[in-house]
Amino acid sequence: DGGITQSPKYLFRKEGQNVTLSCEQNLNHDAMYWYRQDPGQGLRLIYYSQIVNDFQKGDIAEGYSVSREKKESFPLTVTSAQKNPTAFYLCASSNPGGSTSTDTQYFGPGTRLTVL
Amino acid sequence: AQKVTQAQTEISVVEKEDVTLDCVYETRDTTYYLFWYKQPPSGELVFLIRRNSFDEQNEISGRYSWNFQKSTSSFNFTITASQVVDSAVYFCALSGETDSWGKLQFGAGTQVVVTP
Repeated sequence: DGGITQSPKYLFRKEGQNVTLSCEQNLNHDAMYWYRQDPGQGLRLIYYSQIVNDFQKGDIAEGYSVSREKKESFPLTVTSAQKNPTAFYLCASSNPGGSTSTDTQYFGPGTRLTVL
Repeated sequence: AQKVTQAQTEISVVEKEDVTLDCVYETRDTTYYLFWYKQPPSGELVFLIRRNSFDEQNEISGRYSWNFQKSTSSFNFTITASQVVDSAVYFCALSGETDSWGKLQFGAGTQVVVTP
């Protein structure tokens, strides 16, 4: 089945540790995104990537890093520099060059990160 | 700058009642897209609809309907004969032509609670 997978579903981290969240898609989408969601709030964009080996900062990139070595994968690392990392993280993908559903972003199930 | 306002934080209804969710947007773009997503308790965002700025026709999909009015910069969403399964957070989002790669600006979301 085509879709977006994120792992793990729940993640616990001690303060001062880096942690990497996985995002994989088999939709053959060019673009991938990472969002952060805090309780009672909308989604805020962390990083996005339009093509392999290229990515751009979103609105709240500080304390995060990404890589895009493969089209289907876009891992997010939450570094120790992120002051308040406890949140729900959502990955999305889209196919801006596609002839249908252009720019519609489809989301994965999310990873809930808790810093202990 | 793009902005999406969902003024209703939470709406509670009894099953079979209709519920309307308001969405007001701001953009300087001539070409833009509006979206609605549903976030059930599981957390994953489910795409519901995408509408471009040149198509003001209202749309109906089963119990869901959308009313797009450019004159008031609104894109409201109505659930007819609500069911318990409609309980979720609903997000309105905007993507403008200046964000050619499809960046989404989300509203804060409206929590819908449907009780039997």
